[in-house]
Amino acid sequence: NAGVTQTPKFQVLKTGQSMTLQCAQDMNHEYMSWYRQDPGMGLRLIHYSVGAGITDQGEVPNGYNVSRSTTEDFPLRLLSAAPSQTSVYFCASSYQRTGELFFGEGSRLTVL
Amino acid sequence: AQSVTQPDIHITVSEGASLELRCNYSYGATPYLFWYVQSPGQGLQLLLKYFSGDTLVQGIKGFEAEFKRSQSSFNLRKPSVHWSDAAEYFCAVLVGSYKLIFGSGTRLLVRP
Repeated sequence: NAGVTQTPKFQVLKTGQSMTLQCAQDMNHEYMSWYRQDPGMGLRLIHYSVGAGITDQGEVPNGYNVSRSTTEDFPLRLLSAAPSQTSVYFCASSYQRTGELFFGEGSRLTVL
Repeated sequence: AQSVTQPDIHITVSEGASLELRCNYSYGATPYLFWYVQSPGQGLQLLLKYFSGDTLVQGIKGFEAEFKRSQSSFNLRKPSVHWSDAAEYFCAVLVGSYKLIFGSGTRLLVRP
């Protein structure tokens, strides 16, 4: 049972480049989410999904896109990377209304 | 607006000493509250949660937390800290059915 798998673990981009952070879970969780973690700011919700075909914005959605075509996958897209998007990104999933998020190991992104 | 405040950025305790990490929340309805722990380079792991009932909840690794509605607090405690408890700790509140709002975290350092 792999849980929540994120790829890549590390990535360096130049300003303006695009990329996709991949997230997959094998627990049949309906809820998936993306957070970014920055020093002194905790985790901030970027986007979330409550099921296939359903997504919504979190606290800091600007500059990021998501889609949910299957229950298992929830990729995060950066269309034009900016230095302000340098961060550690976490994908998480859960069952409805438990609050018990299962986290991936994170993806560290640096934008030069 | 819903929010979580962790007033201590860093806390240092000696191994074997007791620990209390503070958490205050702002939420209009009955809160569902959580404590998560993050070891270096890892994702977050659930320590314990409060939904209703007994205001003193037990978690993993010997941690407990007490919900005090009158003080809007959910402080985390441990009677005797071990060196392996050194990590960052996050308090969170569940908003709606799915979204977790996190505090900014408290980093625990343990002196030998």
